[in-house]
Amino acid sequence: EPEVTQTPSHQVTQMGQEVILRCVPISNHLYFYWYRQILGQKVEFLVSFYNNEISEKSEIFDDQFSVERPDGSNFTLKIRSTKLEDSAMYFCASSRDGVTEAFFGQGTRLTVV
Amino acid sequence: KNEVEQSPQNLTAQEGEFITINCSYSVGISALHWLQQHPGGGIVSLFMLSSGKKKHGRLIATINIQEKHSSLHITASHPRDSAVYICAVLQAGSYQLTFGKGTKLSVIP
Repeated sequence: EPEVTQTPSHQVTQMGQEVILRCVPISNHLYFYWYRQILGQKVEFLVSFYNNEISEKSEIFDDQFSVERPDGSNFTLKIRSTKLEDSAMYFCASSRDGVTEAFFGQGTRLTVV
Repeated sequence: KNEVEQSPQNLTAQEGEFITINCSYSVGISALHWLQQHPGGGIVSLFMLSSGKKKHGRLIATINIQEKHSSLHITASHPRDSAVYICAVLQAGSYQLTFGKGTKLSVIP
């Protein structure tokens, strides 16, 4: 069964460092998303991406964040200068057409120290 | 702003019990998702609904669009059902999911 894969599963980084979280969406899906979940809190939307551009983003997704689809398979989230409050589980998801079921990756746990 | 409320927040059940988790939301939606999150953190999609009822094994999900309410039922609950169950809605005209806080279910043998 096709699945969304994320790497790494866990990343520890020092405050101020740049991190790139990677995702491989399901191959025939066209819509891609990043969500995050701070420990003990609900999942929050960050950004959606379609046709090589951002289609929606939340207030959380400020200038420190960027997304990219560098090739035909990967979808990345970059955090330019990490803060302690960026520590969270980051989930990538993909959907065939934006309105049908979204499939989630297993998440990347980011710890900023 | 769309609010998604789930109840109860925590639920403990004996193995074999029938379980109901509720979700209500405040604005018009195009679809509602029920998701399962295990302690390791991964999220698995259980159902996506826009009307009526869906069944998968021991899981049943219903939605009432007029009342802005959905329920997830688990029949003959089992300890392996222990997880956090999350309701998330796709607001009409948007591609982003808005999540509830989740219901933590513990099924005791």
